[in-house]
Amino acid sequence: GAVVSQHPSRVICKSGTSVKIECRSLDFQATTMFWYRQFPKKSLMLMATSNEGSKATYEQGVEKDKFLINHASLTLSTLTVTSAHPEDSSFYICSARRQLNTGELFFGEGSRLTVL
Amino acid sequence: KQEVTQIPAALSVPEGENLVLNCSFTDSAIYNLQWFRQDPGKGLTSLLLIQSSQREQTSGRLNASLDKSSGRSTLYIAASQPGDSATYLCAVDGDKLIFGTGTRLQVFP
Repeated sequence: GAVVSQHPSRVICKSGTSVKIECRSLDFQATTMFWYRQFPKKSLMLMATSNEGSKATYEQGVEKDKFLINHASLTLSTLTVTSAHPEDSSFYICSARRQLNTGELFFGEGSRLTVL
Repeated sequence: KQEVTQIPAALSVPEGENLVLNCSFTDSAIYNLQWFRQDPGKGLTSLLLIQSSQREQTSGRLNASLDKSSGRSTLYIAASQPGDSATYLCAVDGDKLIFGTGTRLQVFP
């Protein structure tokens, strides 16, 4: 089956630093990738939609200058949390769509970010 | 704006019971609906995908139905086992995948 790799799975950083999370579709081309954030015991909240070769579309309330998303190729999207603060600590999950619109979505294993 | 709600929020049952988890959504203009399982601290495992033109999908002890017109989907788990304990999420795909609020299931021996 289709595989999406997310790296790193866990990261701890100091306040004020930036952290980059990568999301790769290993065996298919993903024209669209999505980034989600999950707080403890809560459901996944869509942060942004990442389209290859164009700017990401952010959901309301998500700061695009804080959560930088780059989708430079059909197999890689990155989420950079800039100037991280403790409240940014969360579980971040990416997903990739194999085909346009009706294609099934596949998810990475998630990245747990802890900001000290 | 699509809103996805799951009922119940939590469920605790003895092993062997048949279960029904409910998912409702407000906008019926969807491509498909997926059911996922999430173990504590882990990522998502896709269980079933139902295209908008389909009414149900089955995989082993799992059966998911979709009634797009009424904005509802159910996940039926037959003969539940302790290993089924997890959080179950439905997600509605209409350009963007929107997740439901989740049902935390505990199956005890």
